[in-house]
Amino acid sequence: GQSLEQPSEVTAVEGAIVQINCTYQTSGFYGLSWYQQHDGGAPTFLSYNALDGLEETGRFSSFLSRSDSYGYLLLQELQMKDSASYFCAVSPPSEAGTALIFGKGTTLSVSS
Amino acid sequence: EAQVTQNPRYLITVTGKKLTVTCSQNMNHEYMSWYRQDPGLGLRQIYYSMNVEVTDKGDVPEGYKVSRKEKRNFPLILESPSPNQTSLYFCASSLGHDDSVYGYTFGSGTRLTVV
Repeated sequence: GQSLEQPSEVTAVEGAIVQINCTYQTSGFYGLSWYQQHDGGAPTFLSYNALDGLEETGRFSSFLSRSDSYGYLLLQELQMKDSASYFCAVSPPSEAGTALIFGKGTTLSVSS
Repeated sequence: EAQVTQNPRYLITVTGKKLTVTCSQNMNHEYMSWYRQDPGLGLRQIYYSMNVEVTDKGDVPEGYKVSRKEKRNFPLILESPSPNQTSLYFCASSLGHDDSVYGYTFGSGTRLTVV
């Protein structure tokens, strides 16, 4: 089976840095992705790590370590608009007969 | 504008009354899928399609049907809806099975209530 674990909630203040961790148990996957979802809205793609290491996209960075079965999303210079749910997801190999598998999500609350 | 269009956005129906939620994408994506989202359970995959006339079950397919007669359309059919299918539904598409650099594009969602 395949599963991803994330903290259910994280709180932070404006301007701070927050890290959302994702640990996974899967036999293999193409890469680790992160999605953002504002309340009731459509999930939107944030980042993708195919290889180990850090990927940076503006204020957001994502990290993957396949040897540790671990990844994280780093949000810097937090803004109120970053309050949302964040999901990590893995793409299993096509032979597995399924598609993008999501963690249950982390709700980030940013306060002033 | 590249997008995935779902309709309707909101639907209240009664138990047993067949319904269809439509999904259309204009990006020539091969891969399409349906998810349902419930509080505390995240996004769970219902069905997916890797190309025209190719569909397969996801994690929670019971009570749902899909079809992929054209590349752009992937409707979700509830033949006999039940209250436990009350949920927020998302259609998504991508270039391929692996969401790779560009990710999945999601529709705006359909909030379904079955009474």
